[in-house]
Amino acid sequence: EAQVTQNPRYLITVTGKKLTVTCSQNMNHEYMSWYRQDPGLGLRQIYYSMNVEVTDKGDVPEGYKVSRKEKRNFPLILESPSPNQTSLYFCASSQDGSYGYTFGSGTRLTVV
Amino acid sequence: AQSVTQPDIHITVSEGASLELRCNYSYGATPYLFWYVQSPGQGLQLLLKYFSGDTLVQGIKGFEAEFKRSQSSFNLRKPSVHWSDAAEYFCAVAPNSGNTPLVFGKGTRLSVIA
Repeated sequence: EAQVTQNPRYLITVTGKKLTVTCSQNMNHEYMSWYRQDPGLGLRQIYYSMNVEVTDKGDVPEGYKVSRKEKRNFPLILESPSPNQTSLYFCASSQDGSYGYTFGSGTRLTVV
Repeated sequence: AQSVTQPDIHITVSEGASLELRCNYSYGATPYLFWYVQSPGQGLQLLLKYFSGDTLVQGIKGFEAEFKRSQSSFNLRKPSVHWSDAAEYFCAVAPNSGNTPLVFGKGTRLSVIA
């Protein structure tokens, strides 16, 4: 089944403790992206990647890192999480914009 | 910069009534246009998309949307709403130049009453 898989689905962590949210797609898509969703703000893009080793900042990149060493994987790294990064995070992939974007099921992160 | 506006934060309709959710975009050329639905506690599901051709597009679950270039709009419609349609709906745009960021509106929450 074609899908984008995120892990974990839920995560509670403490301020400053580094964490990684994994994202993997099995559709050989070139484009991958991370979004965060907050009430009243909709979905805002954090980082995106056009291909392996090619990444760029989205609208809200501060406090996040990404890497794209393989085509299928696009992990989101929070080096020193803070409470304002408590949010619902989505990974998405696309081969071409005209085909739409496939989203993962989301990761609900709480930083205390 | 491109932007997407969904003017209605929350809409309540009666089951069986018709529905129209508004979406306006700001972009120089005609972008790819999408509607996504997010049920409570779920991820985003693509309802329909437009990138060229017929301006009335059909999607899943009985939804349709009409692209109006003159109004820079891409409104979502459904003739008869079911209680299971209660969810949050997002309009999104992407420049029609390949793999590029998807820009979302802030969403419209739909409530359905009996």
